[in-house]
Amino acid sequence: EVQLQQSGAELVKPGASVKLSCKTSGYTFSNYYMSWLKQMPGQNIEWIGNIYGGNGGTGYNQKFKGKATLTVDKSSSTAYMDLSSLTSEDSAVYFCARHYYSGSLDYWGQGVMVTVSS
Amino acid sequence: EIVLTQSPTTMAASPGEKVTLTCRASSSVSYMHWYQQRSGASPKLWIYETSKLASGVPNRFSGSGSGTSYSLTINSMETEDAATYYCQQGSSYPPTFGAGTKLELK
Repeated sequence: EVQLQQSGAELVKPGASVKLSCKTSGYTFSNYYMSWLKQMPGQNIEWIGNIYGGNGGTGYNQKFKGKATLTVDKSSSTAYMDLSSLTSEDSAVYFCARHYYSGSLDYWGQGVMVTVSS
Repeated sequence: EIVLTQSPTTMAASPGEKVTLTCRASSSVSYMHWYQQRSGASPKLWIYETSKLASGVPNRFSGSGSGTSYSLTINSMETEDAATYYCQQGSSYPPTFGAGTKLELK
């Protein structure tokens, strides 16, 4: 069974950084891209970027370049996303999701709430 | 980037009613994917590659369309179908989502 388990909720101060994790199981991590997405309360879903589990190759939404950095640890089948210089506009739920070949996102993590507040 | 416009924004349907949600793309896309999201939960892939039902999705759901116009249809609304449905294109980077249609039970 494919599972994506995300780390817990984060409360961070403005200007700080946070690193989110997405630990996977049930499939060959190195054969798929992992996408990260943002959803602000009651709002649309935005694609941040993706990373290939095999070689760490990345692609980013221009909007999130400089804000998000994606990495992987193949040894533990875990994907990470660093968010830097956080502001209130970064307060949102962040999801990881496995990127299927036709461009769909077939398995999702449970999401992690990031709250930026002093 | 490709903009996806979903309509209606919100709708209510009675049990047994036929429901059609639409998604229009600002440019032609090869496929459309649909997700169901319940409050407080992560989205679930519901229909992929325009018309293929994801695992576990009841066959009262169907998807169709091509080019810039796509739709999701529920043949006969059931209580458990009340949720928000998002369309998503992955043909052109960056992948984009529609703003969602909130489907409520009447």
